[in-house]
Amino acid sequence: SYELTQPPSVSVSPGQTASITCSGDKLGDKYASWYQQRPGQSPVLVIYQDTKRPSGIPERFSGSNSGNTATLTISGTQAMDEADYYCQAWDKSTAVFGGGTKLTVL
Amino acid sequence: QLQLQESGPGLVKPSETLSLTCTVSGGSISSNSYFWGWLRQPPGKGLEWIATIYYTGTTYYNPSLKSRLTISVDTSKNQFSLKLSSVSAADTAVYYCARHKQLVLDAWFDPWGPGALVTVSS
Repeated sequence: SYELTQPPSVSVSPGQTASITCSGDKLGDKYASWYQQRPGQSPVLVIYQDTKRPSGIPERFSGSNSGNTATLTISGTQAMDEADYYCQAWDKSTAVFGGGTKLTVL
Repeated sequence: QLQLQESGPGLVKPSETLSLTCTVSGGSISSNSYFWGWLRQPPGKGLEWIATIYYTGTTYYNPSLKSRLTISVDTSKNQFSLKLSSVSAADTAVYYCARHKQLVLDAWFDPWGPGALVTVSS
């Protein structure tokens, strides 16, 4: 079965750029989506089709996907961005999630 | 604004069947643009996709759960439902329903319901 791998944690200082990676075999040949989950809340879609932002998601969230790695980038990170982030792809009629990355804004 | 709401028992005994319903409001479950999905998250762990259904009855299942799963849709009530049989403590999780956008090579989930905690315990 297909697997997606994320780092368990990433730290960033307020105002700096945070990058969260998601690795999978030939992931660049698929599309990646990203979800933000704040403590005690439901996941929220922040990026779909590698680079697209849903309505209402701040422009500081961006995505890329090439080779074996998709990346979620948060520019000018704010304290409110502290959350768990999950990548997701669709493979052989199955939705696959990465294990999640806890973003800490120090 | 589309909203989803999970409902069902919060406590299920081991070996019994977990049953949940998702009620969709603010939009039609019979939309030809969207599927509808179930996902779960064990306490302190990551997200897992369970299954997806289209209003016509087309389904996709997580292979690791398929033998225990039944998913159905009731267009007259704008609802879809999940049944997971022979549950164990490993099935304890927050269960989410979500709208599932499905393309040929891509799929994503948006929005999600608030989630329903289901505990498997005697």
